[in-house]
Amino acid sequence: SAVISQKPSRDICQRGTSLTIQCQVDSQVTMMFWYRQQPGQSLTLIATANQGSEATYESGFVIDKFPISRPNLTFSTLTVSNLSPEDSSIYLCSFEGTGDDYEQYFGPGTRLTVT
Amino acid sequence: AQSVTQPDIHITVSEGASLELRCNYSYGATPYLFWYVQSPGQGLQLLLKYFSGDTLVQGIKGFEAEFKRSQSSFNLRKPSVHWSDAAEYFCAGVSGGYNKLIFGAGTRLAVHP
Repeated sequence: SAVISQKPSRDICQRGTSLTIQCQVDSQVTMMFWYRQQPGQSLTLIATANQGSEATYESGFVIDKFPISRPNLTFSTLTVSNLSPEDSSIYLCSFEGTGDDYEQYFGPGTRLTVT
Repeated sequence: AQSVTQPDIHITVSEGASLELRCNYSYGATPYLFWYVQSPGQGLQLLLKYFSGDTLVQGIKGFEAEFKRSQSSFNLRKPSVHWSDAAEYFCAGVSGGYNKLIFGAGTRLAVHP
């Protein structure tokens, strides 16, 4: 199966700044997803990113706060803007496999701490 | 509303003991179901999945899960736990034709020597 990587693996940022997370897959994939995992919590879907179209955001997440780019079929970025301590979380990207069973493959995550 | 429920937040077992982690789902139709494991500082790794056919599915690392439609459950089992199994386990589901993966709250497994 394809390999998925994220950069950075972790970062410490000051409030009011922004962090851009990169997600790279070593083969072309149609659907990519971005999740947030708050401390001690489960995963919550932020948005679905398809190449060539605007990302689709879940309830509670807005483009101004979480702008997403998907310039091609192997790459996506998530920016977390105007950071506050409440944004301290692990952010994970994933992609959907080519089978018909909706299996998703996850990156290692980016651990963000906002001070 | 579609949901996945993991009733147990924490479970502690002794090494070598058997393990069962519970997962219940609420979907209009039979969902596609998954178990993922997250070790500290790691991403999610798929243990096993169910979408049709045999209701007892085998996964990696000696795990298996049984889909029971009558109980709306998809419990994860392992006959003998190893210390390296200590991790967070997530059950997840998606309804066919709608590829949003919904995760349960997770069960944190601790293994005593």
